[in-house]
Amino acid sequence: DAGVIQSPRHEVTEMGQEVTLRCKPISGHDYLFWYRQTMMRGLELLIYFNNNVPIDDSGMPEDRFSAKMPNASFSTLKIQPSEPRDSAVYFCASTLGDWNEQFFGPGTRLTVL
Amino acid sequence: AQKITQTQPGMFVQEKEAVTLDCTYDTSDQSYGLFWYKQPSSGEMIFLIYQGSYDEQNATEGRYSLNFQKARKSANLVISASQLGDSAMYFCAMREPGSTSNTGKLIFGQGTTLQVKP
Repeated sequence: DAGVIQSPRHEVTEMGQEVTLRCKPISGHDYLFWYRQTMMRGLELLIYFNNNVPIDDSGMPEDRFSAKMPNASFSTLKIQPSEPRDSAVYFCASTLGDWNEQFFGPGTRLTVL
Repeated sequence: AQKITQTQPGMFVQEKEAVTLDCTYDTSDQSYGLFWYKQPSSGEMIFLIYQGSYDEQNATEGRYSLNFQKARKSANLVISASQLGDSAMYFCAMREPGSTSNTGKLIFGQGTTLQVKP
């Protein structure tokens, strides 16, 4: 079975541009999580969805960040406008029900110049 | 607030020896889960092992075992017979207890970099 799929794997953009990161969870999973990893802050949860509904977005840093999950097989994380401090690796993870493991995607390495 | 602490930024171990990576946590909840993930230089997050707070036995998965000491709030990862491929960053994480409207989030420690020497 395919794991969590993220695209693009690498993104380089200029400050002020809009960035859209994409995630396809494992089929059948009902929870989807977006994380950000930086040297300074480590791994931090940005937002998660249950059955396509956002449950907790308290980790979203500011209004420039938004996330959607239009259906069970697709989610986006958008940054508009992007800033150099948004440079990080963004992970998507999914899981099912009362879980004891989250399955992570390969991550998107974002560089904002 | 829940917190995970990994006090060892970096560790070295000789190939074929065992190594213990420390993790302490802070929570007032009775129900929680503890996890270890491995992140090699390629960047992916690989799940290693899980321990539930009510599990009486220490979790084991192949060469990985979790030394769970509930009273001390520690959940150390033990890797036996280290291999060169074990060189990576290791993260301890705790799942907060959920509710009817919240599944409980994973909170990660800062990680420990392990280098296995040949």
